[in-house]
Amino acid sequence: GNSVTQMEGPVTLSEEAFLTINCTYTATGYPSLFWYVQYPGEGLQLLLKATKADDKGSNKGFEATYRKETTSFHLEKGSVQVSDSAVYFCALRNAGNMLTFGGGTRLMVKP
Amino acid sequence: DSGVTQTPKHLITATGQRVTLRCSPRSGDLSVYWYQQSLDQGLQFLIQYYNGEERAKGNILERFSAQQFPDLHSELNLSSLELGDSALYFCASSGGGGSATNEKLFFGSGTQLSVL
Repeated sequence: GNSVTQMEGPVTLSEEAFLTINCTYTATGYPSLFWYVQYPGEGLQLLLKATKADDKGSNKGFEATYRKETTSFHLEKGSVQVSDSAVYFCALRNAGNMLTFGGGTRLMVKP
Repeated sequence: DSGVTQTPKHLITATGQRVTLRCSPRSGDLSVYWYQQSLDQGLQFLIQYYNGEERAKGNILERFSAQQFPDLHSELNLSSLELGDSALYFCASSGGGGSATNEKLFFGSGTQLSVL
């Protein structure tokens, strides 16, 4: 079956630091890959997505590249802000199946 | 604001009771999904409805049921509640039937259920 593994948090960074949140997946076929973000007290919001190998999704300074050879979709940002503090979920979806989420990684950015 | 509305925001009840969670999807969206978020299980897909019909089923307990009404709002019914049912329950909606792998889901802000 499908599964997504994320690095456990919390990840604590100072403002302007570089961020990497690792995500690897197991799936049959050719899934689409997503990063969702959950701010405190809110629901999940789609941050970025990639639908095929070597695609790069990007949004709000965040990037992730679909690496089929390593089954990974790591999230990166060059300079984090306090407002980026949230929980980040990696997810995948393949044909006929629902979104499968990783366990989430809490990011805390200190000024 | 995602456009998906969930009520109530918080619900506190006792073991053995029954509760109903309500979700109004974004205007025009035909699919409604229910997810359960708990500390030990993470985000688990429960069930999907599309235009009033059950479309997909995930890890939903037999004590739980859902339906989607003609106006497309959905209700998730949880009965014979146990302590372990305490979780954040999310509803999401999408425009299509959910078969497209890149279809975007819009999430509500959830209902926090506490079973005491």
